Amino acid sequence: AQSVTQLGSHVSVSEGALVLLRCNYSSSVPPYLFWYVQYPNQGLQLLLKYTTGATLVKGINGFEAEFKKSETSFHLTKPSAHMSDAAEYFCAVSDGTGTASKLTFGTGTRLQVTL
Amino acid sequence: GAVVSQHPSRVICKSGTSVKIECRSLDFQATTMFWYRQFPKQSLMLMATSNEGSKATYEQGVEKDKFLINHASLTLSTLTVTSAHPEDSSFYICSAGAPLEQYFGPGTRLTVT
Repeated sequence: AQSVTQLGSHVSVSEGALVLLRCNYSSSVPPYLFWYVQYPNQGLQLLLKYTTGATLVKGINGFEAEFKKSETSFHLTKPSAHMSDAAEYFCAVSDGTGTASKLTFGTGTRLQVTL
Repeated sequence: GAVVSQHPSRVICKSGTSVKIECRSLDFQATTMFWYRQFPKQSLMLMATSNEGSKATYEQGVEKDKFLINHASLTLSTLTVTSAHPEDSSFYICSAGAPLEQYFGPGTRLTVT
């Protein structure tokens, strides 16, 4: 069984400040990890994913995440927040790599960016 | 990435009626599609996995007779909410399965009055 824990349902940062959204996972198989962003009343957009290889993964919009097996973590960071980053962020773990692989989502973190 | 569309984007229906939501993969063939439900300010809950040409696999606790899923072609899956009630009001999101990823549709807001 797999699970994802996102610490902090709400995170507020000032524009230009560091963004850190936390994600810890539990998986009985090698994990495939994802971060998605959701804007109000929209679907999910993939920010980045870790499958194999380099543990520091760079994504779109300046976001990156580091897979740390020893800490079972996959925290999302961005050096400098922009107002347009305000959204809901979901961490997810997959049970495989095939087209029928299921995703298990965390409860989400709402990022607020203030002036 | 691949494009997945949903129709309609919003629907309001009366209690007791049925409503159909379409999910299309526009630029690739999807043998597997997924249907999720999302309540306000909550995460996505997987309802069922839809496989082209075969019966859908429902998650525990999801009523298969209430949420009918059909995946008749490699580009179209439909979710029909039968005899809808106000508690079925929610945001329904589909995704198309691909190697190492799922591509998500924009969602359908269902309101049952």
